[in-house]
Amino acid sequence: DTGVSQNPRHKITKRGQNVTFRCDPISEHNRLYWYRQTLGQGPEFLTYFQNEAQLEKSRLLSDRFSAERPKGSFSTLEIQRTEQGDSAMYLCASSPPTEKNTEAFFGQGTRLTVV
Amino acid sequence: AQSVTQLGSHVSVSEGALVLLRCNYSSSVPPYLFWYVQYPNQGLQLLLKYTSAATLVKGINGFEAEFKKSETSFHLTKPSAHMSDAAEYFCAVSTSGGYNKLIFGAGTRLAVHP
Repeated sequence: DTGVSQNPRHKITKRGQNVTFRCDPISEHNRLYWYRQTLGQGPEFLTYFQNEAQLEKSRLLSDRFSAERPKGSFSTLEIQRTEQGDSAMYLCASSPPTEKNTEAFFGQGTRLTVV
Repeated sequence: AQSVTQLGSHVSVSEGALVLLRCNYSSSVPPYLFWYVQYPNQGLQLLLKYTSAATLVKGINGFEAEFKKSETSFHLTKPSAHMSDAAEYFCAVSTSGGYNKLIFGAGTRLAVHP
């Protein structure tokens, strides 16, 4: 499968624990995005990488959240000291290196439940 | 700032009936507009996109949308609904700047009944 891959698909964690999610974008896509989707809502932008550089972070990305893309390939999203409000679907997307606006390709998401 | 409003969080149609999902946008610059579909516990799949070419855009699975600048709308239609169309549909606008940060609407859940 050559689509965007996210792992794990589901994660249940206790409040206060740290969690890390991984996203593998489509090969040769240099742009990578993280979104968060809560129940009944549309996805909300969290952060954007171009290659290994994190170029934009949403105000939604509190100090407990950190994202990396160390070699410009896969990316990780870590949430420290999880809270119940962090329960959501975390979506990763990637898009190719083009100046024209083209679509972003989404992974299947990681569903986080904080208990 | 850009925003998207989807009118109607739930739409129900009969199989074979017209599907109309409404989307209005706000943008200070010429927008790029997208419709995505999401099936339960899945990611988002692109249905179609408007990128300043033809105002009537055809997508996958028989869907199409028309960009109307005067009405700031980008409504999604399908002439005849199929049971498999039941899903959540999201309209999104892309920011300018050469990359694809998307601003999504709240979504419309489409139900198709026999």
